[in-house]
Amino acid sequence: GESVGLHLPTLSVQEGDNSIINCAYSNSASDYFIWYKQESGKGPQFIIDIRSNMDKRQGQRVTVLLNKTVKHLSLQIAATQPGDSAVYFCAEMVNNAGNMLTFGGGTRLMVKP
Amino acid sequence: NAGVMQNPRHLVRRRGQEARLRCSPMKGHSHVYWYRQLPEEGLKFMVYLQKENIIDESGMPKERFSAEFPKEGPSILRIQQVVRGDSAAYFCASSPNSEGEQYFGPGTRLTVT
Repeated sequence: GESVGLHLPTLSVQEGDNSIINCAYSNSASDYFIWYKQESGKGPQFIIDIRSNMDKRQGQRVTVLLNKTVKHLSLQIAATQPGDSAVYFCAEMVNNAGNMLTFGGGTRLMVKP
Repeated sequence: NAGVMQNPRHLVRRRGQEARLRCSPMKGHSHVYWYRQLPEEGLKFMVYLQKENIIDESGMPKERFSAEFPKEGPSILRIQQVVRGDSAAYFCASSPNSEGEQYFGPGTRLTVT
């Protein structure tokens, strides 16, 4: 289930189940979105990206869905594994308006064996 | 192909000292970005540089912080007269062009005592 803790919201799933991590982005002008995975003590690691002219993109075991109408992004992880345990951040960018990434607050994914 | 390199990985400074954080982008990348991360939070953009140019420093504090990316050598983030509030993880990212995916380094964890 999903819970909102004192800091990062946490999603706890059983190994082998599918995970869905959600993100509400803030800028309607954003046209590029990235999901990053961050393990403890490490830098963010690129997972998958999507541009605003698409509403779905699939990678290996991961799918990103973009709903521009409600400014919502989701990351689906199929057959979640213990190695997927980490904090996941969505990030948005407005191309040609500076290249800064604006990060969301993050969700901690915990995979139970 | 080596990834983004940052050093030192951990840096301890007393209040009032200077901190210098170094970042070597991935080979072939000429765009460098610095971000700061507080515990349990997302990354916050600080500055975007290309070789010998600061492109966007809208996220940099007005005082004590400076960044450079010289023609030769790594990018440097410099914090003068550090205060306890500067304690954070500082991440560098690089990209091959002005759009798209940014690759992150492992970060420098600065502790101000």
